[in-house]
Amino acid sequence: LAKTTQPISMDSYEGQEVNITCSHNNIATNDYITWYQQFPSQGPRFIIQGYKTKVTNEVASLFIPADRKSSTLSLPRVSLSDTAVYYCLVGDIDTGGFKTIFGAGTRLFVKA
Amino acid sequence: GAVVSQHPSRVICKSGTSVKIECRSLDFQATTMFWYRQFPKQSLMLMATSNEGSKATYEQGVEKDKFLINHASLTLSTLTVTSAHPEDSSFYICSARDGTSGKQKNIQYFGAGTRLSVL
Repeated sequence: LAKTTQPISMDSYEGQEVNITCSHNNIATNDYITWYQQFPSQGPRFIIQGYKTKVTNEVASLFIPADRKSSTLSLPRVSLSDTAVYYCLVGDIDTGGFKTIFGAGTRLFVKA
Repeated sequence: GAVVSQHPSRVICKSGTSVKIECRSLDFQATTMFWYRQFPKQSLMLMATSNEGSKATYEQGVEKDKFLINHASLTLSTLTVTSAHPEDSSFYICSARDGTSGKQKNIQYFGAGTRLSVL
């Protein structure tokens, strides 16, 4: 299983763009990169998933360099409600023994 | 789409009793379901993985006789905490994935969680 490393915490202000980088040096060829958001006392919520290059949806962008050893979640113009813990996970369901192991995540605090 | 319902959201029980938590996928077939527990200010810890119709695979250190998991249908999995004790108090979260969905196969959809307090 590819292990992930993220900053423990980040602070930002409302309206700023926030970039959270995740390192996954041991990512396997078939692994996908998935990001989740979790608010206190709630289950995580899927944000975005990618395999290579760039992926964008209505809430975030995901940048993945060619070597895929890291990825960056980009949140445009954050608001107070984006204060949460963000988790980066890598894995592939078709690889035997797939399971999702959560790292420590990044605690983002958005200030007014 | 892709909604996972988890009940109850909160349960308080006496020590020694058993508690059942349900996890349902409302609009997709959950070929695989996962159960996690989470302590305050900590990350999610995977307890077990279950595939529909087969026995759950437990993570090391998780007692399978204490945390009974049943995944009898493609839309329902249950976790029963047997003979609960105060140290079992935690936030339990289930998730499900649709293994038939192609590109979405690696995405997990999570329930809202169950706060268990054992007195």
